[in-house]
Amino acid sequence: EIVLTQSPGTLYLSPGERATLSCRADQPVSDNYFAWYQQRPGQAPRLLIFRASTRATGIPDRFSGSGSGTDFTLTISRLEPEDLATYFCHQYGSLPYTFGQGSQLEMK
Amino acid sequence: QLQLQESGPGLVKPSETLSLSCTVSGDSVSSSSFYWGWIRQPPGKRLEWIGTIYYGGNTYYNPSLNSRVTIFVDKSKNQFSLKLTSVTAADTGVYYCARPSNGIRDWGQGTLVTVSS
Repeated sequence: EIVLTQSPGTLYLSPGERATLSCRADQPVSDNYFAWYQQRPGQAPRLLIFRASTRATGIPDRFSGSGSGTDFTLTISRLEPEDLATYFCHQYGSLPYTFGQGSQLEMK
Repeated sequence: QLQLQESGPGLVKPSETLSLSCTVSGDSVSSSSFYWGWIRQPPGKRLEWIGTIYYGGNTYYNPSLNSRVTIFVDKSKNQFSLKLTSVTAADTGVYYCARPSNGIRDWGQGTLVTVSS
């Protein structure tokens, strides 16, 4: 199975700053079938990005995804207080589909 | 608008069978356009794909759970269900049902299942 490793584990930033989250796969992700999710405590994950760089419906344009192959990045250009959450990456190109361990975004 | 709602016991004894159902509203579980899945999240750990059921009834199960998992559809109730046998404490977690489609936009709210005597 494809193992996804996210970095950093925790990111401390202030509102208005830029957040860059990374996810590395130990094998190439087929056809860039790769997604990013936001999860707030007690809630189900919320799809932000699919196919590595396409924003899901209703997601603000301050969220963007990039990358291909084995290296992917989620960028939040101008942090808002409501962006405080855990972010997961996910590959759905090869079975079993797998998830990263999460990066926690905390506000300074 | 699609809604997914998990239901089932929140406490299961070790060695017994975990049974959950997901009621689908706003779509038919028999739809040929989509498939349905179960995902879980043990406390403090990453999400884990449990398995998937496709149109026509074909299934895929995560090899880590393969021999213990069954996913099936009940068309009369517009539900799909999960059975996980011989559970241990390692099966404790939040269980989500989902409708994957280019990632997963549609999730149930999740249900916590604790395995304990």
